[in-house]
Amino acid sequence: GPKVLQIPSHQIIDMGQMVTLNCDPVSNHLYFYWYKQILGQQMEFLVNFYNGKVMEKSKLFKDQFSVERPDGSYFTLKIQPTALEDSAVYFCASSSLTGGRDTQYFGPGTRLLVL
Amino acid sequence: SQWGEENLQALSIQEGEDVTMNCSYKTYTTVVQWYRQKSGKGPAQLILIRSNEREKRSGRLRATLDTSSQSSSLSITGTLATDTAVYFCATNMGYKLTFGTGTSLLVDP
Repeated sequence: GPKVLQIPSHQIIDMGQMVTLNCDPVSNHLYFYWYKQILGQQMEFLVNFYNGKVMEKSKLFKDQFSVERPDGSYFTLKIQPTALEDSAVYFCASSSLTGGRDTQYFGPGTRLLVL
Repeated sequence: SQWGEENLQALSIQEGEDVTMNCSYKTYTTVVQWYRQKSGKGPAQLILIRSNEREKRSGRLRATLDTSSQSSSLSITGTLATDTAVYFCATNMGYKLTFGTGTSLLVDP
């Protein structure tokens, strides 16, 4: 089936540093998402991105977070500066229709550890 | 929270047994989706059931939706060890999926 790729699979950084998480969504998809999952807890929505804009974001999407997809390349999540509580697995997803009415395809996640 | 507390549970069964997982939701939705997440992987959709459907089947999977009680279930018949995973239900709210806390299913071979 359609695959979403995420790079890197793991990232360890010091608190206060910047990190960029990369997502290669399904090629014909138009909607992109980031979710955050802390170990053992439920997946939580961060942000939805469409046509170069943030369509919706949650309270977890702090001011230190930003997303972009320059020129149809990777869809990225940047955190600057990072904080200890940013340690989690970040999942990228993409879909071809609005919201959850169509299937969202998830990547394998990037495991971020902030020291 | 979108989800009732009964959504959080862990189940351990033997291969070949049938299992049913339940979830309830608090706010209106037109779609309930069931996802499976295996260890170290991202979630993968199993079934999408709409508010005008009471039941939907896919292979060994069967999902039900009761909009009057705002609850959904996922049944797996003839479980396999490879069904070991965390199963989430999710509703659509605007542009996002809201996931429940999930059911951790362990199927012993």
